Order: sequence, then C-alpha cells, then structure tokens
Amino acid sequence: KQEVTQIPAALSVPEGENLVLNCSFTDSAIYNLQWFRQDPGKGLTSLLLIQSSQREQTSGRLNASLDKSSGRSTLYIAASQPGDSATYLCAVRVGGQNFVFGPGTRLSVLP
Amino acid sequence: GAVVSQHPSWVICKSGTSVKIECRSLDFQATTMFWYRQFPKQSLMLMATSNEGSKATYEQGVEKDKFLINHASLTLSTLTVTSAHPEDSSFYICSARQGSAQPQHFGDGTRLSIL
Repeated sequence: KQEVTQIPAALSVPEGENLVLNCSFTDSAIYNLQWFRQDPGKGLTSLLLIQSSQREQTSGRLNASLDKSSGRSTLYIAASQPGDSATYLCAVRVGGQNFVFGPGTRLSVLP
Repeated sequence: GAVVSQHPSWVICKSGTSVKIECRSLDFQATTMFWYRQFPKQSLMLMATSNEGSKATYEQGVEKDKFLINHASLTLSTLTVTSAHPEDSSFYICSARQGSAQPQHFGDGTRLSIL
C-alpha cells in the first residue's frame, strides 16, 4: 500500500528565504506526482505536476524534483513571501486512478 | 487555467437530511472526477472516483449507499450525503481531470455541518 509522508510538518521562515519541502513515498511505481497548495478552509490549487518519466518541473519561483528510485520529491521555493504561507501537499498517483496524499507541510513566511 | 466550481461552499443542516454537493468543470470536459473528504488538520482521503457515464468506484470503507455519486455529464458530478448524521460533518472536496495524463484540478470545497 502506497504511503506518502512529508517533512517537516510545519515550517516558519522569514521573508526572502529559500526553502525546501520534502515528500517521500513508499512505492516507486507511480504514474505521476503533483504538488498542491491549500489555504485554510479552501480547496487545493495545483502547483506543479511531474510525470513519472520527468525529473523536475519549474513554475516561477517554484521548482519540484522527482527521484522515483529513492521515492522522493522536493519542492523548492525561492525568495519566499508572506503570500506563500499555506499548507503544501504532495500527492502521488498510483496505477489507474488513485491519488494518495501526504499529510502536508504548514508553511508560515514571516514579514 | 482550468477551473472547477463546487457548490455550495458551506451547508448546515439537521440530522437525517440528505445533502447534495455539485462539482462542475467550467472550461474543460472532465472524463474523471474525484471526491475527497478532509477532517480538520488531516490530509485528503479519496472517497470515490467517477468516470462520466459509469458507476463510481468507491474506496474501501466508504458506504456507496450513504454517499451517492452521479457523473451524468462531462462537466458535472454530484455527491449526495443521504440521511446525514453529525459524524458526516467534514470538508468535502471534488476534483476533475480531463485526461489520464492531465493534472487534477480541485474545487474550493464544501464545509458540511450536521447538527
């Protein structure tokens, strides 16, 4: 059974810092991996999607990497801003339809 | 970008009531829609997957007679919580995907409170 973990559970950084969020999964046979952002009481916003054949994806200040063999993905946020404060979730798609979510990392960027 | 609309955003009702939640893909045809449930400070748990025109596939432990899912068109899926009870109170989120290699796009969620 696929399990997804995220480290750290919570992170607080001053504005302007670069930071890395980590995601690990137990079964490397994934179809793709997606990073999301969730604001309190809201739904999810898709940030980056990495197919199993890809190593990384970039969008603006965000860069996500994928190492399937080691079961790891990282989300790099450059020059963090207070508006980046949210919970960041990674999710892996296994086989047909299933999407397994990690517990999330709660990020606070202090002005 | 792709937009998924979920309605209502918040509903409060009495125990025993049935509640319907709608999920619409506004600018793309969603061949597959997903329904998730999220308890406070926990991650999302997949409840069921539905393909347009087919019966939904429910995850283990999810009662199909309690959570009725209809995906009658490529832009609309509904989740009906039948005879809701306080333990059904939760945050329900839908997502939609255009094709198997496409990302999932999520609605803003529905907060359901059963009194």
